[in-house]
Amino acid sequence: EAGVAQSPRYKIIEKRQSVAFWCNPISGHATLYWYQQILGQGPKLLIQFQNNGVVDDSQLPKDRFSAERLKGVDSTLKIQPAKLEDSAVYLCASSLVRGPTYLYGYTFGSGTRLTVV
Amino acid sequence: TQLLEQSPQFLSIQEGENLTVYCNSSSVFSSLQWYRQEPGEGPVLLVTVVTGGEVKKLKRLTFQFGDARKDSSLHITAAQPGDTGLYLCAEGGSARQLTFGSGTQLTVLP
Repeated sequence: EAGVAQSPRYKIIEKRQSVAFWCNPISGHATLYWYQQILGQGPKLLIQFQNNGVVDDSQLPKDRFSAERLKGVDSTLKIQPAKLEDSAVYLCASSLVRGPTYLYGYTFGSGTRLTVV
Repeated sequence: TQLLEQSPQFLSIQEGENLTVYCNSSSVFSSLQWYRQEPGEGPVLLVTVVTGGEVKKLKRLTFQFGDARKDSSLHITAAQPGDTGLYLCAEGGSARQLTFGSGTQLTVLP
């Protein structure tokens, strides 16, 4: 089974520039998550999709972050304009819909490491 | 919002030693998962615990869920350099979301 694919692996941009990250989840996984992991911290949920609908985006800074999941498969996360504090690893994860959380785990991608200078 | 506290934040030990890391919450966990994250990779699920008092073993790793389901521990016996990584606990909520602790960074020196 192929894993969760993310690209790019690394990105360095100047503050106020824009950047986009791409995620392709495991085939058949209806739920997709974007997490932000700042160095030295655990991942923090930004947005959760089920199919192509948003389940929870309460922690997404909507003035600069946006995400979409067209056709319920691939997803993109965009930051515009970027700030220094956005430097972090952006992780995408997917999971099956069936059952409560404890019946399955997430499968994470390797992440995109963003550095804003 | 449930807060998960992990301790210690950093741990550096010699190969062959035993260690225990902890995950504590201010409220009852519905379920708890432990993940290991290696540099440059995403977290990988190690185990899920659901029932208070539950103990699960995965080779040299022993996971324990507190009776009151407000704490959990991970014990590693005879640590090896391959055990090096960031150990994260995560609580599963009703919306199938995971809330992560800040992690324990473990370094096992050869």
